[in-house]
Amino acid sequence: NAGVTQTPKFQVLKTGQSMTLQCAQDMNHEYMSWYRQDPGMGLRLIHYSVGAGITDQGEVPNGYNVSRSTTEDFPLRLLSAAPSQTSVYFCASSRTGEINEQFFGPGTRLTVL
Amino acid sequence: SQQGEEDPQALSIQEGENATMNCSYKTSINNLQWYRQNSGRGLVHLILIRSNEREKHSGRLRVTLDTSKKSSSLLITASRAADTASYFCATDSLDTGRRALTFGSGTRLQVQP
Repeated sequence: NAGVTQTPKFQVLKTGQSMTLQCAQDMNHEYMSWYRQDPGMGLRLIHYSVGAGITDQGEVPNGYNVSRSTTEDFPLRLLSAAPSQTSVYFCASSRTGEINEQFFGPGTRLTVL
Repeated sequence: SQQGEEDPQALSIQEGENATMNCSYKTSINNLQWYRQNSGRGLVHLILIRSNEREKHSGRLRVTLDTSKKSSSLLITASRAADTASYFCATDSLDTGRRALTFGSGTRLQVQP
């Protein structure tokens, strides 16, 4: 199993550009989530999904959209990039039921100029 | 806002010594988890302790949970240079209405060889 994969690993955007961060998992996990991590800080939840077709907002959802058309994929879209969205983005997945062990991807380092 | 807050923010010890990190949180929880993050990498799950458990062991790791004080500790015994990483606690809160983990800001552990 590849686990949780994220693409790209690095990205530089200009203010106002849009882009999609890709996340995929091959463990048949129902639960998937997106976090951002800023320097010296923990992770903050952006959006999450408890299954295909179901998404919900996290702590910091503004400026981001998600969709979950399949169990495997959970893309994160930046609608109009801003310098405040410069961060490292992590995708994670886990089995259903209790929020238990999260499997994390390697992250995408995004810089918005 | 951060649900879990780790203490200390940074810790430097010699190889072979024990490392203790503490986590405090604010709400009622279903479970508390500890994760490890090596520099520039994704998070890796270490251990999960449920709200009805008081202590749990996994190899050189020992986790305690005191729900009356809303606190947890992670003890790493006989530390090794390879334990150098950031350690985060994360809580599955019963109060937020979200099915998601809330992460603390982490403890940076440096183990000197």
